[in-house]
Amino acid sequence: QSALTQPPSASGSPGQSVTISCTGTSSDVGDYNYVSWYQQHPGKAPKLMIYEVNKRPSGVPDRFSGSKSGNTASLTVSGLQAEDEADYYCSSYGGRSNLVFGGGTKLTVL
Amino acid sequence: EVQLLESGGGLVQPGGSLRLSCAASRFTFSTFAMTWVRQAPGKGLDWVSLTSATGGSTFYADSVKGRFTISRDNSKDTLYLQMNSLRAEDTAVYYCAKRVTTVTTWGFDIWGQGTMVTVSS
Repeated sequence: QSALTQPPSASGSPGQSVTISCTGTSSDVGDYNYVSWYQQHPGKAPKLMIYEVNKRPSGVPDRFSGSKSGNTASLTVSGLQAEDEADYYCSSYGGRSNLVFGGGTKLTVL
Repeated sequence: EVQLLESGGGLVQPGGSLRLSCAASRFTFSTFAMTWVRQAPGKGLDWVSLTSATGGSTFYADSVKGRFTISRDNSKDTLYLQMNSLRAEDTAVYYCAKRVTTVTTWGFDIWGQGTMVTVSS
């Protein structure tokens, strides 16, 4: 199973919105609504931000939203804050009881 | 506070074995599927294995199939990963994580702090 494709970096100024893409195939992102997004600060464990494309776990600010179109999922962070600076990873169920991750995107708050 | 605590990592020679543990607290462990995810130094996340809530179903990434075994003891609220025939490319921080809901989905909301496994001679 190939990794999902994410841009290596993204950036935005405080208060702005930024969108991170996650491109898979018709066998993973395109075929299942099991896309998740994780935030990871340096030296810390990942934190679930979005699951099932657009669901937010309790405690995650509504500034974080997810969507999907075809084989590409997206994470949008609105009203950027300094603490949003982190690595972000997407994942998708890939069929045959297999989970695949994206390579990660480093989000910089300018 | 809901918590997962991994242990058992360390330095092992190529071809060696190691067993990781993940102790759960403050949630009904026996009702949630659990997974292992690893992260090589400076690299991204890499899914390793998943077990159903009962332990009756287990799944593995192709890269570890036949070498790693996931298991759980619901009486002890503990998840395990037995790793055999270890290779240099298995060097990583290993995280255990809890499925976000009790029904089938592929998001994981509670993660441990990770345990480092280094495979080197």
